[in-house]
Amino acid sequence: QKEVEQNSGPLSVPEGAIASLNCTYSDRGSQSFFWYRQYSGKSPELIMFIYSNGDKEDGRFTAQLNKASQYVSLLIRDSQPSDSATYLCAVKTSYDKVIFGPGTSLSVIP
Amino acid sequence: EAGVAQSPRYKIIEKRQSVAFWCNPISGHATLYWYQQILGQGPKLLIQFQNNGVVDDSQLPKDRFSAERLKGVDSTLKIQPAKLEDSAVYLCASSPRRTSYNEQFFGPGTRLTVL
Repeated sequence: QKEVEQNSGPLSVPEGAIASLNCTYSDRGSQSFFWYRQYSGKSPELIMFIYSNGDKEDGRFTAQLNKASQYVSLLIRDSQPSDSATYLCAVKTSYDKVIFGPGTSLSVIP
Repeated sequence: EAGVAQSPRYKIIEKRQSVAFWCNPISGHATLYWYQQILGQGPKLLIQFQNNGVVDDSQLPKDRFSAERLKGVDSTLKIQPAKLEDSAVYLCASSPRRTSYNEQFFGPGTRLTVL
């Protein structure tokens, strides 16, 4: 089992729709969870992090964490073409390592 | 606040040659990371420094890769000799403190092509 897995893409959504990106992790003691956005040919940039169960909202972005299910998700409301990118889930494990998932490519269709 | 700086941005070498990458983290950031990102994959940690000490280098191919962070600021990553499978983007990131969060700020990366 891979340490951090993400739903396989590419994911295509129409402009204005909600994009849902999912991530599961294997280390039950993991502490912090991050979502990075990476545009093609660019480096990752942090868009959100979450460490408590429940939801965390920032503008059009909502991160959801369920530690019992070892699941973290990112919802993007009112998706825009500028949201088209690869989204990387990263997990800080109980052994103090940050592990990145393989990423999910999102395409927002105008 | 200036971001993480890396150089060169691009490098093309032949297999068995040597190459070095440089990183200057955000001022005051104690933790520095080097990642390898192969096309279509997530970043893979090669080495993590806390100030000038190594915290984690478990995935660094030590027979060919080396890294140092002198004086706890700038860092260099070297590959000697390079192999075809080393073709990737090498990302440097820094983090302001070693806390529970470890949010990281990435540099622009160095794209390495090994022929």
